[in-house]
Amino acid sequence: AQSVTQPDIHITVSEGASLELRCNYSYGATPYLFWYVQSPGQGLQLLLKYFSGDTLVQGIKGFEAEFKRSQSSFNLRKPSVHWSDAAEYFCAVGVKGNTGKLIFGQGTTLQVKP
Amino acid sequence: GAVVSQHPSRVICKSGTSVKIECRSLDFQATTMFWYRQFPKQSLMLMATSNEGSKATYEQGVEKDKFLINHASLTLSTLTVTSAHPEDSSFYICSASDPGASYNEQFFGPGTRLTVL
Repeated sequence: AQSVTQPDIHITVSEGASLELRCNYSYGATPYLFWYVQSPGQGLQLLLKYFSGDTLVQGIKGFEAEFKRSQSSFNLRKPSVHWSDAAEYFCAVGVKGNTGKLIFGQGTTLQVKP
Repeated sequence: GAVVSQHPSRVICKSGTSVKIECRSLDFQATTMFWYRQFPKQSLMLMATSNEGSKATYEQGVEKDKFLINHASLTLSTLTVTSAHPEDSSFYICSASDPGASYNEQFFGPGTRLTVL
């Protein structure tokens, strides 16, 4: 069955430091992969997505993610974190077929220290 | 970009009453809409998939008679929580798929906070 695991429930980084949020997936074929960000009490905003092609994808707000098939991973990175990046981050895999369903990971809460 | 709205953003109701939440795609026609539920500090749980003009497909464990979903037009889907109880208090988020966008790309509404007293 398809699943997404975000091993880190909570991460704290200092402002200006680099960031990597981990995401591992289980899927029978090449997946569609997404990273979303959610601020408190808000909906989800798409940061970036991977469908095919270049395994390093660039997103908004300076984020990037790398698809590694051999590790079943799609980790999110940012070279220098800003205080406004503090939020909840969700990795998701898209179920192929006509349903268009997304399966979400548990989420990672990012806290940014001044 | 595609915009999805939800109304209301917050609602408080008494136990036993019904509450309707609207989800609208503002600048595109959404053949498919999704309804999620999110508990505090937890991930999104898909409740149902709604296709315009047909019955919604509910996920396992979701009560169809309690969470009524109607997708009467290409821009509007509604979720009605019937006979609401305190345990139904949650954050409900809808999303919509734009047929013109990349596959599986869903656009999310801002969510509705439901509190049942």
